[in-house]
Amino acid sequence: GQQLNQSPQSMFIQEGEDVSMNCTSSSIFNTWLWYKQEPGEGPVLLIALYKAGELTSNGRLTAQFGITRKDSFLNISASIPSDVGIYFCAGPYSGGGADGLTFGKGTHLIIQP
Amino acid sequence: NAGVTQTPKFRILKIGQSMTLQCTQDMNHNYMYWYRQDPGMGLKLIYYSVGAGITDKGEVPNGYNVSRSTTEDFPLRLELAAPSQTSVYFCASSHGTGGSLGQPQHFGDGTRLSIL
Repeated sequence: GQQLNQSPQSMFIQEGEDVSMNCTSSSIFNTWLWYKQEPGEGPVLLIALYKAGELTSNGRLTAQFGITRKDSFLNISASIPSDVGIYFCAGPYSGGGADGLTFGKGTHLIIQP
Repeated sequence: NAGVTQTPKFRILKIGQSMTLQCTQDMNHNYMYWYRQDPGMGLKLIYYSVGAGITDKGEVPNGYNVSRSTTEDFPLRLELAAPSQTSVYFCASSHGTGGSLGQPQHFGDGTRLSIL
């Protein structure tokens, strides 16, 4: 089945640092989505990418749809305390014709004061 | 702006008990989904619905049932609770298909279920 591999699993950074994380897939995706989850809440969509090579920003966040269509990257510039959370990549689930999304295991971002 | 509302937020069940997790959305979305999230893992698709009266299995449907009698509501039922079903359950909805078009999904805040 599909597998989404996110790295790193966790990041311990200082406030103000830039952050980079990535996601790779075992199969080609037509869409990449990046979500953030905070404790006790559901995932919230950050950025959606629909075309290979696409680079999209949302404030201090920038995400890219890899040219091979098997990877995507998320960067956060000048991190602030409220960036703490788990960041998930996701793409269309294609197992047995089912609809819905498949998710990576997440990158846990921790900001040290 | 309620969005996707899930109840209850927490529940403890005994093995073999049954319960229904409720989910309702007020965005008039046709597509609704149930996921489970185990510790340190991403979300896995349990069941989904593309409209009232239509449901289908996702990646991990065993032990669960769903129904979709209205556009707004998509309850998830556990008939014989097992410890392996201890998880956080998320309901989501989207305007268009999350599959082929990868339409963004809006999530509820989850139901934390423990089975002892």
